[in-house]
Amino acid sequence: QGQMVQSGAEVTKPGASVRVSCKTSGYPFTSYAVSWVRQAPGQGLEWIGWVTTFNGKTNYAQRFQNRVSLTADTATRTAYMELKDLRFDDTAVYYCARSLYSFGLWGQGTLLRVSS
Amino acid sequence: QSALAQPASVSGSPGQSITISCAGSSGDIGTFDYVSWYQQYPGKAPTLIIYDVSKRPSGVSDRFSGSKSGSTASLIISRLQTEDEADYYCSSYSSSDTLMIFGGGTTLTVL
Repeated sequence: QGQMVQSGAEVTKPGASVRVSCKTSGYPFTSYAVSWVRQAPGQGLEWIGWVTTFNGKTNYAQRFQNRVSLTADTATRTAYMELKDLRFDDTAVYYCARSLYSFGLWGQGTLLRVSS
Repeated sequence: QSALAQPASVSGSPGQSITISCAGSSGDIGTFDYVSWYQQYPGKAPTLIIYDVSKRPSGVSDRFSGSKSGSTASLIISRLQTEDEADYYCSSYSSSDTLMIFGGGTTLTVL
């Protein structure tokens, strides 16, 4: 089964950076990639990218290519998402999800609010 | 505008069946059998209910089924129950520069 537990809510200013963590348990960490998906208030789901945990290889959605960095620490079974140069429209709930071509296990979500 | 097109809303009565469509293209649904569906309740994380077009994860009711024809996938919910009232999202692997794409979501109302 497994579990993914994310870090707490963040409030930050435009232009800043934020790092969100996703600690996993209960499944073989390096057997799955970890994707990050966000959901703006009242909106749908948007895929940000994934990190293949056994070798750290990443793939990012085009629109996030220059601002996001996804990493995975196999020793602590934790995945991280860093998003830079934050804008007001980055305000959203950010989810990590265990994945390859489907998202079978999700974290509880981390609310990121970008506000001046 | 989402990469996959879903109706914004559908409705049905308890006991009925409904279908939610998810229209893609030859670069995603039309080529790959990596279509998945998610159920999301307000304020909660999504949960996987269908993967690889028509497979159900363990513990998901057999009232949920999936299919694909050409570049359009469908989620069928039979014997509707009030607890099925939620948002539903489709997703597909894509050959574009964004590897995983979602539909815009469909709100199911059980009248």
